[in-house]
Amino acid sequence: EDQVTQSPEALRLQEGESSSLNCSYTVSGLRGLFWYRQDPGKGPEFLFTLYSAGEEKEKERLKATLTKKESFLHITAPKPEDSATYLCAVRGSGGSNYKLTFGKGTLLTVNP
Amino acid sequence: DTGVSQNPRHKITKRGQNVTFRCDPISEHNRLYWYRQTLGQGPEFLTYFQNEAQLEKSRLLSDRFSAERPKGSFSTLEIQRTEQGDSAMYLCASSLAGPSEKLFFGSGTQLSVL
Repeated sequence: EDQVTQSPEALRLQEGESSSLNCSYTVSGLRGLFWYRQDPGKGPEFLFTLYSAGEEKEKERLKATLTKKESFLHITAPKPEDSATYLCAVRGSGGSNYKLTFGKGTLLTVNP
Repeated sequence: DTGVSQNPRHKITKRGQNVTFRCDPISEHNRLYWYRQTLGQGPEFLTYFQNEAQLEKSRLLSDRFSAERPKGSFSTLEIQRTEQGDSAMYLCASSLAGPSEKLFFGSGTQLSVL
């Protein structure tokens, strides 16, 4: 069964203080690793998909990287509006070809 | 692109009552998913449709849960004889099948069972 573990559970940063969020995964045949952002009371908002080790994607202050066992979401010079829960999910080729298995998320708070 | 729409946003019900939620996906999307999320947890997969066919159901989906997607358009999720453990956010997502499939989520229906 696919498993996703995210750390830390919560992270407080000062505005401009760069950091990284970790997503460790176990999956049978990775068919995609996904990062989502979720604001309180809203559904997850798609950020990135990574498919193979070594792949990197960037969007504004966010950069996602992937290895064979984990993914990192790097946040450079964060702003208060980056405060949200960041969710990592995987899709594997064993069992279900369709479902995403999510981690519990990292709650990021950026103080001004 | 008006996004994925879910109704109602909030539902409060008494234990034992039946509830139904509706999801309107992005119009050109042929895949539709239901997930459930409780506080402090990530979303958990419930079921999946490709067009009108329900292709997969999670073990989490007991016999009290039923989902439909008539004519491959909107979808409904019904919970019969609700229990307090059913309290959660029910999320709908839609996507277009393809090698770089991305799921777009609605804002969810928050269910509270008293």
